[in-house]
Amino acid sequence: GAGVSQSPRYKVAKRGQDVALRCDPISGHVSLFWYQQALGQGPEFLTYFQNEAQLDKSGLPSDRFFAERPEGSVSTLKIQRTQQEDSAVYLCASSLGGRLSYNEQFFGPGTRLTVL
Amino acid sequence: AQSVSQHNHHVILSEAASLELGCNYSYGGTVNLFWYVQYPGQHLQLLLKYFSGDPLVKGIKGFEAEFIKSKFSFNLRKPSVQWSDTAEYFCAVNAQSSSNTGKLIFGQGTTLQVKP
Repeated sequence: GAGVSQSPRYKVAKRGQDVALRCDPISGHVSLFWYQQALGQGPEFLTYFQNEAQLDKSGLPSDRFFAERPEGSVSTLKIQRTQQEDSAVYLCASSLGGRLSYNEQFFGPGTRLTVL
Repeated sequence: AQSVSQHNHHVILSEAASLELGCNYSYGGTVNLFWYVQYPGQHLQLLLKYFSGDPLVKGIKGFEAEFIKSKFSFNLRKPSVQWSDTAEYFCAVNAQSSSNTGKLIFGQGTTLQVKP
């Protein structure tokens, strides 16, 4: 079956521009996670959705970052007024269950954002 | 706060050599432990996981890992590496608690290069 997909795969933005990154999770997956991976680092948690509810946004680095999942499936991560330090790969992952922490997370290919 | 430390950032081995990648975590409670692998040009995928029970877990492609609770460690091993094991390896931790959303805390990753 289809895995997690993300679009665009690559995005170049000028500093100050707004960007929107899309994630299509595996069908039927309740949980959806966003991670940020800087060059040479491991992924860092940004936010978590259970269906349409954003239950944890403790990892969002600033109020310029906003995520939504209005119908409990597709999710969008929006970054307003992008800065150079936002350059990273943004990963989306989905898992089958709700708050059960032991459900395997399946990762998408990521969106590589470069802010000039 | 939870953290994960991977001791080796870049490992170079010849084919058939044995592999051990170190991973230590800091968290006082019960944890779920994971190793993810990212092959060149591909997305993150689960190599193996530990939730409870036998501390020696076996994963795909001949990999195994041992959870040593007293050392807060979850080292990855493979008796004989192949060129196709060239990839980046990430250790990750998830805290088992009622308030936890299932988010993963990753180490910074280890790049493994296997020479043919």
